[in-house]
Amino acid sequence: EDQVTQSPEALRLQEGESSSLNCSYTVSGLRGLFWYRQDPGKGPEFLFTLYSAGEEKEKERLKATLTKKESFLHITAPKPEDSATYLCAVQARWQGAQKLVFGQGTRLTINP
Amino acid sequence: NAGVTQTPKFRVLKTGQSMTLLCAQDMNHEYMYWYRQDPGMGLRLIHYSVGEGTTAKGEVPDGYNVSRLKKQNFLLGLESAAPSQTSVYFCASNVGKYRSYEQYFGPGTRLTVT
Repeated sequence: EDQVTQSPEALRLQEGESSSLNCSYTVSGLRGLFWYRQDPGKGPEFLFTLYSAGEEKEKERLKATLTKKESFLHITAPKPEDSATYLCAVQARWQGAQKLVFGQGTRLTINP
Repeated sequence: NAGVTQTPKFRVLKTGQSMTLLCAQDMNHEYMYWYRQDPGMGLRLIHYSVGEGTTAKGEVPDGYNVSRLKKQNFLLGLESAAPSQTSVYFCASNVGKYRSYEQYFGPGTRLTVT
C-alpha cells in the first residue's frame, strides 16, 4: 500500500535555527514527490517536485532532497514567516490514473 | 491569473440538506480533483476528473457527486448532508501530462453539518 509518513508532527525553532523535516514513503514506482506549504485557513501551496533519487531543489531558505526511501526539507536560518504546516505527497498509480498520497504534515513554528 | 477559486468559503448545513461547491480554474488544466481535509487524516481524494465530461471516484466518494460540464469548472454536490461530512474541502487542478503532475489548490471551503 502506498504510504507517506512525516516526522516530526510538530517542530518549534528559534529564528535562525536550521533544521530538517522528514518524509518517508513507500510507493510502487515513484513518479514524483511533492512538497507543499499550508498556512492556517488556506489551501496547500506548491513548493517543489522531485523525480529521482539524488535530486535537489532550492527556494529561498528551503532545500528539498530525495533518496530512494525518503525526502528531507531543509530549512536554513528560518524566519517567523516560514511558520506553516509542510506537507509531503507522492504521485501513485491508482485505478489506471494517478493520485497524490499525502502525509499528515509537519507543523513548523519559528519563534522570533 | 486567479488560479483555482472555490465558492463558497464557509457554509453551515443541517443534516439532510443538499448543496453544491463550485471550483473554477483559469489555467486550462485538464485534470481536476476534490479533496477533504480532516484533523489527523490528511488530505483524502473524493472524486476527480481527467477532462471535460469525465469524472471518477476517489478514495472516499460515498455521499458525494461531481460534474465537469465545462473544462474550467468542477462541481461537488452533497445530496443529503451528514455530520460526518463536516470538513474542509479543497479543489485542485493540474496539467496531467508532460511530467507536470504537481497539483494547484484552491483556498478551501469550510463546511459544518449540524
